[in-house]
Amino acid sequence: GAGVSQSPRYKVAKRGQDVALRCDPISGHVSLFWYQQALGQGPEFLTYFQNEAQLDKSGLPSDRFFAERPEGSVSTLKIQRTQQEDSAVYLCASSFPGQGAYNEQFFGPGTRLTVL
Amino acid sequence: GESVGLHLPTLSVQEGDNSIINCAYSNSASDYFIWYKQESGKGPQFIIDIRSNMDKRQGQRVTVLLNKTVKHLSLQIAATQPGDSAVYFCAEDFMDSSYKLIFGSGTRLLVRP
Repeated sequence: GAGVSQSPRYKVAKRGQDVALRCDPISGHVSLFWYQQALGQGPEFLTYFQNEAQLDKSGLPSDRFFAERPEGSVSTLKIQRTQQEDSAVYLCASSFPGQGAYNEQFFGPGTRLTVL
Repeated sequence: GESVGLHLPTLSVQEGDNSIINCAYSNSASDYFIWYKQESGKGPQFIIDIRSNMDKRQGQRVTVLLNKTVKHLSLQIAATQPGDSAVYFCAEDFMDSSYKLIFGSGTRLLVRP
């Protein structure tokens, strides 16, 4: 079946521009996560949705970062006034929470953002 | 695609040999520990997990060992194949309200033919 998809795969922005990154989770997956992965490092948590509710946004690095999932499926991560330090791969993951067991997170291919 | 592990520690093994990748974790409260594999240009892919009340779990060609005393996790890959070449990350699942994963810094595995 279809996995998690993300678009665009690559995005180049000039410093100061706004960008929007899209994530299409696996159909039926309740949980959706955004991670930021700098070059040569492991992914770092940004934010978490359960259906349309954003339950944890503790990882968002600044108020320039905003995420939404209005209908509980597709999610958009928006970065306003991009800075060079925002350059990274942005990963989206989804999962279907069970009870008491680890809920495997399925990752998309990521969007590589380069801010010039 | 882009490179994931330009500055990561690298483990180089001969095809057919066994590989051992190590990871130290910091949070004793983690409920699950997970290994992910990431190939260049792709997102992380789940390999195997282990619950904190276990010390060993086996999958197909992979074994994860957990030593809670020294907060150490290892991934053993038997009969390493060229397709195993990738960056490997350990992760902790806090099982808190968000189920977020906390990833380690990763190790690049190179398999020599």
